[in-house]
Amino acid sequence: AQTVTQSQPEMSVQEAETVTLSCTYDTSENNYYLFWYKQPPSRQMILVIRQEAYKQQNATENRFSVNFQKAAKSFSLKISDSQLGDTAMYFCAFMNNNAGNMLTFGGGTRLMVKP
Amino acid sequence: GAVVSQHPSRVICKSGTSVKIECRSLDFQATTMFWYRQFPKQSLMLMATSNEGSKATYEQGVEKDKFLINHASLTLSTLTVTSAHPEDSSFYICSARDGGGPRNYGYTFGSGTRLTVV
Repeated sequence: AQTVTQSQPEMSVQEAETVTLSCTYDTSENNYYLFWYKQPPSRQMILVIRQEAYKQQNATENRFSVNFQKAAKSFSLKISDSQLGDTAMYFCAFMNNNAGNMLTFGGGTRLMVKP
Repeated sequence: GAVVSQHPSRVICKSGTSVKIECRSLDFQATTMFWYRQFPKQSLMLMATSNEGSKATYEQGVEKDKFLINHASLTLSTLTVTSAHPEDSSFYICSARDGGGPRNYGYTFGSGTRLTVV
């Protein structure tokens, strides 16, 4: 079974600065996908970024980028130029391409962006 | 983009009654949908995988007779909480795969249903 660990229950960052959220996972699989989801106070889950394990290049989406270290099973999210609207819960998630395609979520990190 | 509509957004019911939650994919077909439960300030816990035209697959510890899942069409999955009790009060979220193929895995989530059993 896969496990996903987010070691930072809460983080805060000043507006316009950069913050990195940590995520590690445990799997024996080689074919999988990793995701970061944002859940604002509305509780709507929003996809932030996605990484395919077979790709060595780190995924980027505007101010969001990941540091994917496959050997270390680490998948951190970097948010640059933090904005107040980035305040939310952030969940790291793992999907095994060979086992039902369901997502396994980490425990989440609550990010507060301060003005 | 892909949209999943979940209804109702909030529901209050009396103990012992049943509540049905609907999850619809509006602009794509979803052969597989997932149902999650989220307790306050906690992560999403997968309850079951809903497969169109077949029985749902339940995670360990989830009572299939209590949480009835029906996925009768490619755009609709329903979760019925039967004989609800206060401990069933929670936030329930559905999601569906919206991918265009193996290289485009994506999951779209409904907006969730807050169930309160009194």
